[in-house]
Amino acid sequence: KAGVTQTPRYLIKTRGQQVTLSCSPISGHRSVSWYQQTPGQGLQFLFEYFSETQRNKGNFPGRFSGRQFSNSRSEMNVSTLELGDSALYLCASSVSGDQETQYFGPGTRLLVL
Amino acid sequence: AQSVTQLGSHVSVSEGALVLLRCNYSSSVPPYLFWYVQYPNQGLQLLLKYTTGATLVKGINGFEAEFKKSETSFHLTKPSAHMSDAAEYFCAVSHSGNTDKLIFGTGTRLQVFP
Repeated sequence: KAGVTQTPRYLIKTRGQQVTLSCSPISGHRSVSWYQQTPGQGLQFLFEYFSETQRNKGNFPGRFSGRQFSNSRSEMNVSTLELGDSALYLCASSVSGDQETQYFGPGTRLLVL
Repeated sequence: AQSVTQLGSHVSVSEGALVLLRCNYSSSVPPYLFWYVQYPNQGLQLLLKYTTGATLVKGINGFEAEFKKSETSFHLTKPSAHMSDAAEYFCAVSHSGNTDKLIFGTGTRLQVFP
């Protein structure tokens, strides 16, 4: 069974631009969560989607948004990029959520110049 | 509110020595606890998890952790370190209640010297 895949793996943007990251969960997994990893703040929860609905949201500004499609694939979007948005964005999937084991993708490394 | 504290941002051991990575948690409800490992330029890989039942949990690569409720701890150990164990290790607690939100510790970077 294929693991969680994330595209693209690396991305360079400039301040003010927007970016869309994609995550394909493990087949059969319906819950997708997103995390931001930075040296300063560590791993922080962004949001979780289940059955196309955002079920939980972390403490991030409205510039960070996401969605989930009927096939459970998820995208996250960051608008009006700031230098501080440079990070590794990790996606994780699980079968149905609720404290189950999350399986992580390799991440998308975003650099904002 | 739930939180995780990992004592020691860096731990160095010699190859063959005992590995001990410390994790303490705070949770108002019975926690689900996880240890993940991250190798350079990669995502997170689950090492082991505690949900309910046996408090000594065995994971992959020879790692194990013991849930001690009285000490609110979930320390990760391995009897004999290998060079390939060099990585960053994250302890996490699962936010309860119909969601998969993980709250992570700040991570411990393990160095293994020959």
